[in-house]
Amino acid sequence: AQKVTQAQTEISVVEKEDVTLDCVYETRDTTYYLFWYKQPPSGELVFLIRRNSFDEQNEISGRYSWNFQKSTSSFNFTITASQVVDSAVYFCALSEAGSSNTGKLIFGQGTTLQVKP
Amino acid sequence: DGGITQSPKYLFRKEGQNVTLSCEQNLNHDAMYWYRQDPGQGLRLIYYSQIVNDFQKGDIAEGYSVSREKKESFPLTVTSAQKNPTAFYLCASSKGQLIEKLFFGSGTQLSVL
Repeated sequence: AQKVTQAQTEISVVEKEDVTLDCVYETRDTTYYLFWYKQPPSGELVFLIRRNSFDEQNEISGRYSWNFQKSTSSFNFTITASQVVDSAVYFCALSEAGSSNTGKLIFGQGTTLQVKP
Repeated sequence: DGGITQSPKYLFRKEGQNVTLSCEQNLNHDAMYWYRQDPGQGLRLIYYSQIVNDFQKGDIAEGYSVSREKKESFPLTVTSAQKNPTAFYLCASSKGQLIEKLFFGSGTQLSVL
């Protein structure tokens, strides 16, 4: 079965601290895609990144970075020098290409990040 | 500006009543989706549609119905058969295959009176 686990339910940090959000996934497919979305208080999910299973390069975008490790089935997300505006719920998600389940995005439970001033 | 519009933002349902949540997109996307969000459970797929006049059940379709008569619109009806409808409902769209990123609306909070 396909599954995404975000073990951290809530994280609270002080502004300027670095914070890592963990994501562990399970899938039997060799081809799949991983995503991170941010849900601010307004409710709308905002796309952050997509990574395919063949690309294990880490990625950095400004204060955000992602560490994809197939050996441990993990796709962790780090925010450097956190800011109050980073406060949101963050979701990790898994999509499988070429399977009968095309059309399904499997989400983790979400991690609520609170950044205090 | 292009985007997805969900309405209403808040909706209340009485016992035995059907209610319909609206979702409209002007992104010219082929695929549209409905997700349900419950606290601590993440998002779960209710229905999705990859082309007009066609849709498929997701993981939790029981008690819900949809239609896709126009490319821009994908309304969700929560029927009286859905015994626990209180949740936050999110509509999304994508260009085509699900491996594309999803664009989300701002959601509808449905509560039972």
